[in-house]
Amino acid sequence: DTAVSQTPKYLVTQMGNDKSIKCEQNLGHDTMYWYKQDSKKFLKIMFSYNNKELIINETVPNRFSPKSPDKAHLNLHINSLELGDSAVYFCASSQPLLAGDAKNIQYFGAGTRLSVL
Amino acid sequence: DQQVKQNSPSLSVQEGRISILNCDYTNSMFDYFLWYKKYPAEGPTFLISISSIKDKNEDGRFTVFLNKSAKHLSLHIVPSQPGDSAVYFCAASAGTSYDKVIFGPGTSLSVIP
Repeated sequence: DTAVSQTPKYLVTQMGNDKSIKCEQNLGHDTMYWYKQDSKKFLKIMFSYNNKELIINETVPNRFSPKSPDKAHLNLHINSLELGDSAVYFCASSQPLLAGDAKNIQYFGAGTRLSVL
Repeated sequence: DQQVKQNSPSLSVQEGRISILNCDYTNSMFDYFLWYKKYPAEGPTFLISISSIKDKNEDGRFTVFLNKSAKHLSLHIVPSQPGDSAVYFCAASAGTSYDKVIFGPGTSLSVIP
């Protein structure tokens, strides 16, 4: 039973299209994240939601819009896809033991490989 | 602006020997450090962590060492096993925002049988 699952696993699309990636976690965590792993393999945080509220919003084009219908789901919608959006996108979740607890261990999904042609 | 650096993109080690993966950071506000392991086509999984109040943390075959003055940490795997072959990410966070974890680019470890 997958703890953090994201769909689809692969996504190939044309420039200019709009696409969504879905993420669900069954760990009961309050916080969810989206990361982008670019061609240089850096994992960079894009967004973080805590209990459906946006808490981290890095410098990401506003073509990227996260949506959290409930604390178990954090979807990523991307408008007007560009070649530079090609990357692997990872969803993750975490549950600090206490507020401000440093042991913020994140559990990742398997990734969605997006290819924009 | 790479706040977390892993200067060795890859490392090969003989089975049974020690693997040492290095990580350097630039932000002196970082006070919590984590190592994640990633297999192909999977997401990263947490391996071990260390708080800045410690200089060593051990978990089985894995030990992380932290040198705050040098802003350097290392992960030791002893003995190395073929199943340890993976990409290892060093990550760091600061007390101001533990939700924001900064990852290094990773080191690909190959353990040769």
